Amino acid sequence: GENVEQHPSTLSVQEGDSAVIKCTYSDSASNYFPWYKQELGKGPQLIIDIRSNVGEKKDQRIAVTLNKTAKHFSLHITETQPEDSAVYFCAAITSYNTDKLIFGTGTRLQVFP
Amino acid sequence: ETGVTQTPRHLVMGMTNKKSLKCEQHLGHNAMYWYKQSAKKPLELMFVYSLEERVENNSVPSRFSPECPNSSHLFLHLHTLQPEDSALYLCASSMAAGNTEAFFGQGTRLTVV
Repeated sequence: GENVEQHPSTLSVQEGDSAVIKCTYSDSASNYFPWYKQELGKGPQLIIDIRSNVGEKKDQRIAVTLNKTAKHFSLHITETQPEDSAVYFCAAITSYNTDKLIFGTGTRLQVFP
Repeated sequence: ETGVTQTPRHLVMGMTNKKSLKCEQHLGHNAMYWYKQSAKKPLELMFVYSLEERVENNSVPSRFSPECPNSSHLFLHLHTLQPEDSALYLCASSMAAGNTEAFFGQGTRLTVV
C-alpha cells in the first residue's frame, strides 16, 4: 500500500524567510496530493492541493511542486508570518478500490517574529 | 468553521465505560470518515462511509463501532477501550469518497483512564 514520508518533523524560521517541507510517496499510481494545516485545537484544513497532471501550483505565498518521476512533492511558503505557525501534513491518495488519503507524520513550523 | 461539527470536544472515560462520539455535517457531502490522531504518528484512517454505506474498515478493533444513520451524521461508539486508545479522533467529510477535498471537524480529545 501507499507510504508517505515527510521531512522535517520540526522547522523554525525567521519571519519573512521561506519554509520548505518535503514529502515522498511510494505508490506510483497516486494522483492527488493535498496539504493540510492544523492549528492548535483545530482539525486539519486544506491549504493547497495538486494533481498528478501538473508539476506546480501556486496560491499567493504558498506553492506546491510535484515530481512524479522521483515520487516526491514539496510545500513552499514564502515571506513567512507568525500566523503560519502550525503543523503541516502532506497526503497522497491511493487509487485502488477505495480512494483514501494516506498522511505524512506532520511538520511543526514555527515562525519567529 | 469548516461545516463539520464534532461533540464532545473532550471526553474522559474508564476502560469499562460505553460512550459515543458524534459528527455532523451540513455541507451536502456524501462521504464521511473517522481518523485517529496520536502524537508523533500520521493520521490513521479508521472508517469510510460513502452514501451511508461503509466502504472501508481499516483493521480497526471491534471496540470501535461506527454508525452512519444518514449522510449528515456519523457516530463512533466506544466500549471497553484501552489507555492506548487515548488520542484525538477526527471526523471529516467530502463530496465523494475519493480525491476531493476533505473537511475536518475540530476533533474529540479522548482520554481513557
